[in-house]
Amino acid sequence: GAGVSQTPSNKVTEKGKYVELRCDPISGHTALYWYRQSLGQGPEFLIYFQGTGAADDSGLPNDRFFAVRPEGSVSTLKIQRTERGDSAVYLCASSYQGGAGETQYFGPGTRLLVL
Amino acid sequence: DQQVKQNSPSLSVQEGRISILNCDYTNSMFDYFLWYKKYPAEGPTFLISISSIKDKNEDGRFTVFLNKSAKHLSLHIVPSQPGDSAVYFCAAEGGSQGNLIFGKGTKLSVKP
Repeated sequence: GAGVSQTPSNKVTEKGKYVELRCDPISGHTALYWYRQSLGQGPEFLIYFQGTGAADDSGLPNDRFFAVRPEGSVSTLKIQRTERGDSAVYLCASSYQGGAGETQYFGPGTRLLVL
Repeated sequence: DQQVKQNSPSLSVQEGRISILNCDYTNSMFDYFLWYKKYPAEGPTFLISISSIKDKNEDGRFTVFLNKSAKHLSLHIVPSQPGDSAVYFCAAEGGSQGNLIFGKGTKLSVKP
């Protein structure tokens, strides 16, 4: 069984551009999480999906960030008008149902560099 | 303000000895605590967890201890092996939806 996959593995873009980051969770997992890890920090929660709906988007830093999961499997994190401060590793994780105490399985991340 | 703190950015241990990684938290409402291991260019990998109603959980060479009164947990690895060299993140889960709050990590180096 495949784990969580993320594409692209690396993305270099220019300030002001739009980027999309993709996450393919473990098959059958209904819960999907996005985290962001800046240099020297631990991962920080961005958004949580239960099925197709965003159950908690309280971690999104501002309205330039948006995420979708239209069919309840693959998710896309979208960043508009990128800024240099958006440079980080964006991690995706999935778990079976998203309940308390469930293990979250992480993908390898997308390293975003905004020049 | 950080709710989960790992105050040691790095730790160096000799192979075969015990590694002790520490973590402090501020929110007494956290339900679960987890340790993740991360190798360079890979995502974090789940290692071990503990419920807030327990004080110890053991899995092979890895044991996590929880001291709720001190709001402190620790991960013990014994015996340490060179393959354990990685960054270890402490994380806490506070809500029913499973969002994790991570510390900044401790880089463990196990020397042969």
